[in-house]
Amino acid sequence: GAGVSQSPSNKVTEKGKDVELRCDPISGHTALYWYRQSLGQGLEFLIYFQGNSAPDKSGLPSDRFSAERTGGSVSTLTIQRTQQEDSAVYLCASSNRGAGANVLTFGAGSRLTVL
Amino acid sequence: RKEVEQDPGPFNVPEGATVAFNCTYSNSASQSFFWYRQDCRKEPKLLMSVYSSGNEDGRFTAQLNRASQYISLLIRDSKLSDSATYLCVVNPLYNFNKFYFGSGTKLNVKP
Repeated sequence: GAGVSQSPSNKVTEKGKDVELRCDPISGHTALYWYRQSLGQGLEFLIYFQGNSAPDKSGLPSDRFSAERTGGSVSTLTIQRTQQEDSAVYLCASSNRGAGANVLTFGAGSRLTVL
Repeated sequence: RKEVEQDPGPFNVPEGATVAFNCTYSNSASQSFFWYRQDCRKEPKLLMSVYSSGNEDGRFTAQLNRASQYISLLIRDSKLSDSATYLCVVNPLYNFNKFYFGSGTKLNVKP
């Protein structure tokens, strides 16, 4: 697509429920990143994909968090047994490492609220 | 020590003022540098890449000082619409897949 698309844009859930957040990167972008941003805070790296593999998962805060990417395109971030501290905006970004500078383009984010 | 450090501000300036932000980075092997702009409750958007020779885009000028390991952003003739948080981003040579984000500098342009 023309840009990075994320869904849902807003999600309200109850503590203990599982949530899935989806990211559709720019067509042809091989690299995909997930970040988290809590209110008033900076960006926190979660995980990076190159194609379908995730060589860097170092930012995932706990084993309740997982992500996958299929077909070198769409990625899903899953949070199991959500906690209130998981409330944040989850941002996805993609980049095309092939041409020119390695520039990140972000989606509009998924705002997660855990009650 | 953080990879990238920025003064959080806020910088409160009147319309028409010139304002400059600096950002320092810790690893001399850093390769690419960027300024992103983030509006309240929005995603970061690329403002400009920073080239070794310095570069200008309209009212915005970015400079890189490798010897002192900092980059700067100069905004001339500030507009109300420039009010945002400006993020410094560094992409290291030793790990091309990694992006290090500063925590951002908040700019408020007042009428």
